[in-house]
Parts: sequence; C-alpha cells; structure tokens
Amino acid sequence: AQKVTQAQTEISVVEKEDVTLDCVYETRDTTYYLFWYKQPPSGELVFLIRRNSFDEQNEISGRYSWNFQKSTSSFNFTITASQVVDSAVYFCALSENSGNTPLVFGKGTRLSVIA
Amino acid sequence: DGGITQSPKYLFRKEGQNVTLSCEQNLNHDAMYWYRQDPGQGLRLIYYSQIVNDFQKGDIAEGYSVSREKKESFPLTVTSAQKNPTAFYLCASSIWAGSGNRETQYFGPGTRLLVL
Repeated sequence: AQKVTQAQTEISVVEKEDVTLDCVYETRDTTYYLFWYKQPPSGELVFLIRRNSFDEQNEISGRYSWNFQKSTSSFNFTITASQVVDSAVYFCALSENSGNTPLVFGKGTRLSVIA
Repeated sequence: DGGITQSPKYLFRKEGQNVTLSCEQNLNHDAMYWYRQDPGQGLRLIYYSQIVNDFQKGDIAEGYSVSREKKESFPLTVTSAQKNPTAFYLCASSIWAGSGNRETQYFGPGTRLLVL
C-alpha cells in the first residue's frame, strides 16, 4: 500500500535561513508520481511540483528546490533564503499509477518563518 | 478566470441535518475529488469521480454522498449518519488520462463545516 511520511510536524526558522522539508514514501509500483503542495493560512492547496518516478533529476524553481532520491524513497523540498510569506503547511503526496487511491497525502509540515 | 469554486466558505450544521457543499470548476477537467482535512492531519479522500454519472468511494465515504450530473459540478452531501462532520472540506479536479492516477489535482478554497 502507498504511504507518505512527513516526520517533521512543525519547523520554525528565522527569515533568510534555508530550510529542508523531508518526505519519505512507500510504494510497490515502479511507476508513480510525487507532488508537493503548499497550504497557506487561507486554506487553499497550491500545487508546487509534480515528479514522475523515472525522472530523478533535481529541480530548482527560484528559491525552491527538490531532491528526489529513489534509493532512499525520499523527495525532499528545500527553501533557500526563507521569507515570511513562505509560512504555511506543506504537504507531500504520492500517486501510484495502478493504485486504487488517486492521491495519498502525508500529514504535512507546518513551517513558520519569523522576521 | 478558470478555477474551482466552493461554497459556502463556512457552513453550520445542526444535529440530524443533512447539508450540501458545492464545488464547481470551469477548467474542463474530467475528474473531481472531495477531501476531508482535520486539524494536524493530511487530506483524506471521501469520493471521486472520473466521468459524469460515475463516482467511487474513497477511504472515508461513510456518512457522505455525492452526485455527478454535470461535468462542472460535484456536490457533496454530509448526511446525519456522519457523526463527526466538523472539518475542512476541499474539492479538487484534474484531467483524467484514461488510466492511472498521474495527473495533477488542483484545489478549491475549501468549506469549513461546523456543528452547532
């Protein structure tokens, strides 16, 4: 069965620090998709990135970067030079190509960036 | 603007009452989903629909019902059988590629349901 673990429940950092949010997943499929979403205080989930299991290249988008390592079943998310606007709950999610459940979420990591 | 709308933003339910949450999308997406979020928890799937007039139960479907009469709309009814309905409800939609679960889901702003 598919499972996503975000071991960090809450993280607090001072503005301009770098921070890494961990995501570990479990799946038996060889084809699967990993996602990160941001949930600001307003509540709406904002899509950040989608990565398929055959593409292990790291990705950078501005201050955001993602490190996908199949060997450790991890898909970690780093924010460089954090800002107060980055304060939110961040969710990692997994979708198995042949699974019955479209998308399985981790429990989320609450990030607080302090000015 | 294209997007997903949910209404109302806040909803109050009395004991024994059925309430319906609205979800509408104009993204021309085939698939729609309903999730429940409890404090400190991830999202749990209630129901989803890949095409009009068809839907499947998710992990926590008991006490809920849905319909999919139009592609754009996927209302969720919280019935009196749902004993602990207080939660944040999120609707999402995605393209459906015909097989597999690989498409990105996009979310609406959510409805917060409270029991009086």
